[in-house]
Amino acid sequence: LAKTTQPISMDSYEGQEVNITCSHNNIATNDYITWYQQFPSQGPRFIIQGYKTKVTNEVASLFIPADRKSSTLSLPRVSLSDTAVYYCLVGDPMFSGGYNKLIFGAGTRLAVHP
Amino acid sequence: DSGVTQTPKHLITATGQRVTLRCSPRSGDLSVYWYQQSLDQGLQFLIQYYNGEERAKGNILERFSAQQFPDLHSELNLSSLELGDSALYFCASSPPRGNTEAFFGQGTRLTVV
Repeated sequence: LAKTTQPISMDSYEGQEVNITCSHNNIATNDYITWYQQFPSQGPRFIIQGYKTKVTNEVASLFIPADRKSSTLSLPRVSLSDTAVYYCLVGDPMFSGGYNKLIFGAGTRLAVHP
Repeated sequence: DSGVTQTPKHLITATGQRVTLRCSPRSGDLSVYWYQQSLDQGLQFLIQYYNGEERAKGNILERFSAQQFPDLHSELNLSSLELGDSALYFCASSPPRGNTEAFFGQGTRLTVV
């Protein structure tokens, strides 16, 4: 499984755009990049997943450069309720049997201030 | 609601005791994952089952064991409990294709006193 590196923490203010970058230099050809969000005392929640270029949903955008060695989660106009830990995971979703263990790194602790 | 059900939500027990945590995956999901999260710590992967068979093992102590039953629910057994075992224990499930989109339960908060 590709190892990921993220900043430990970030601070932002309400209404700003937040970009969290994840480094995954050893990403494999079949690997996808997935981001999860976790609030205190709750289970992680899937945010977005992508393979290349840009993916956007109602919550966030995911930017993946051509070499796929990094990715950036973009949260538009954050609010206080976006304060959470954000995890970047890399793995092959097509492999049958759920082999990928879903190993979470330390994540990025985002604090949104008024 | 993720569709993954964990019981009990809270559990308080004494050192040396044994407890069983239960997880019911989402309908149709064959993979179940167990995680331990101590206070302000990351998610530690413990073990993964797929359709009743152990698929991957992480940093799971020998005092801990798990299994997945024919109806696909899973149980995590923790024995000879120590104070340091106090944590949130999460279960997650994912669809048969091994998609990295996993769905997490609300967790069981275990307190060992």
